[in-house]
Amino acid sequence: GAGVSQSPSNKVTEKGKDVELRCDPISGHTALYWYRQSLGQGLEFLIYFQGNSAPDKSGLPSDRFSAERTGGSVSTLTIQRTQQEDSAVYLCASSPQRGADEQFFGPGTRLTVL
Amino acid sequence: GENVEQHPSTLSVQEGDSAVIKCTYSDSASNYFPWYKQELGKRPQLIIDIRSNVGEKKDQRIAVTLNKTAKHFSLHITETQPEDSAVYFCAAKDAGKSTFGDGTTLTVKP
Repeated sequence: GAGVSQSPSNKVTEKGKDVELRCDPISGHTALYWYRQSLGQGLEFLIYFQGNSAPDKSGLPSDRFSAERTGGSVSTLTIQRTQQEDSAVYLCASSPQRGADEQFFGPGTRLTVL
Repeated sequence: GENVEQHPSTLSVQEGDSAVIKCTYSDSASNYFPWYKQELGKRPQLIIDIRSNVGEKKDQRIAVTLNKTAKHFSLHITETQPEDSAVYFCAAKDAGKSTFGDGTTLTVKP
């Protein structure tokens, strides 16, 4: 079946602009994660959605970052007033259900802020 | 919160040799420890995982060991091949989010 998909695959924007990144998890997966990966670095946790529970936003680096998940499926990560340090690959992952631990990653969105 | 440290950051071995990557974690509540392989320009993919009630798990040339008391776990790759060259990430997970190590770049020289 289809894996996790993300769009766009690449995004180039100017400093100060807002961007929206989209994640389509595997159908039926209830858990969804967003990570940021800077060049040559590890995966930095941003936010975690599990079913209808309140999301864990503890990893969001500033109030310019927000995410929502509509209908328990598609998620959008929004970065307002982008800064050059926001440049990174943004990865989304999903897991089948609470208690199922393996995360299936999407291909990522490479964001470049000029 | 959880803190995961991974060593070494780079590792170079000859084809056929073994490779060992080590991680330590800080939160005793973490109970799931996966290892992901990320090839250049690609997404991370799970290669092996271990839960806190198990000390060792093996899958062909790959094995993971866990020492809960010392809060460390290791990835062992035997008979390395050039296609094993990639970045490897460990992670520690409790009931919710996962915390990842900074990654190890493994290079297997033919």
